[in-house]
Amino acid sequence: EDKVVQSPLSLVVHEGDTVTLNCSYEVTNFRSLLWYKQEKKAPTFLFMLTSSGIEKKSGRLSSILDKKELFSILNITATQTGDSAIYLCAVELYNFNKFYFGSGTKLNVKP
Amino acid sequence: EADIYQTPRYLVIGTGKKITLECSQTMGHDKMYWYQQDPGMELHLIHYSYGVNSTEKGDLSSESTVSRIRTEHFPLTLESARPSHTSQYLCASRTGTGIDEQYFGPGTRLTVT
Repeated sequence: EDKVVQSPLSLVVHEGDTVTLNCSYEVTNFRSLLWYKQEKKAPTFLFMLTSSGIEKKSGRLSSILDKKELFSILNITATQTGDSAIYLCAVELYNFNKFYFGSGTKLNVKP
Repeated sequence: EADIYQTPRYLVIGTGKKITLECSQTMGHDKMYWYQQDPGMELHLIHYSYGVNSTEKGDLSSESTVSRIRTEHFPLTLESARPSHTSQYLCASRTGTGIDEQYFGPGTRLTVT
């Protein structure tokens, strides 16, 4: 059965801390892994990863994929209260172009 | 910025009513998706479409139905709403060519009393 598991489920840090969010997956016909940030409404896209070992970076956020060990991490450095959100990991399969989502990591950044 | 719209944004309705949740996108995307998300839980795919006149059920069993008569429009219908249908419903679309992300609509929060 295809599945995506995120850890931790929730995390509380203080502004300025660095956090690492984990996403592991077991799927057949892996095509890509995506990270989304979900605040009150719809998820907004952060990164798409298709190749192992290539870091994607956007400001204080970065992500990398390990296709051998079947996981990805999302790093956030110098966290700010605006980073508080649920971070979702999704894996896309080649067949049917379906996406499987993890349950998310709820990040709370305190001032 | 993605142009994908959902209406209504919030809906409170009584048991047994028929409801249609609307989803429209102006990007010309071929692929569209409906997800159901309970608070604090993962998104579950309930329906998807590759294009006009193409619809498939997702992995989560759902009593809803969808149609895709036009590229830009992908409505979801519940023939007889029940309290167990209370959830957030998210619509998404993508181009369907190459590797690209899904764009999400703002969601419809449905409460069935």
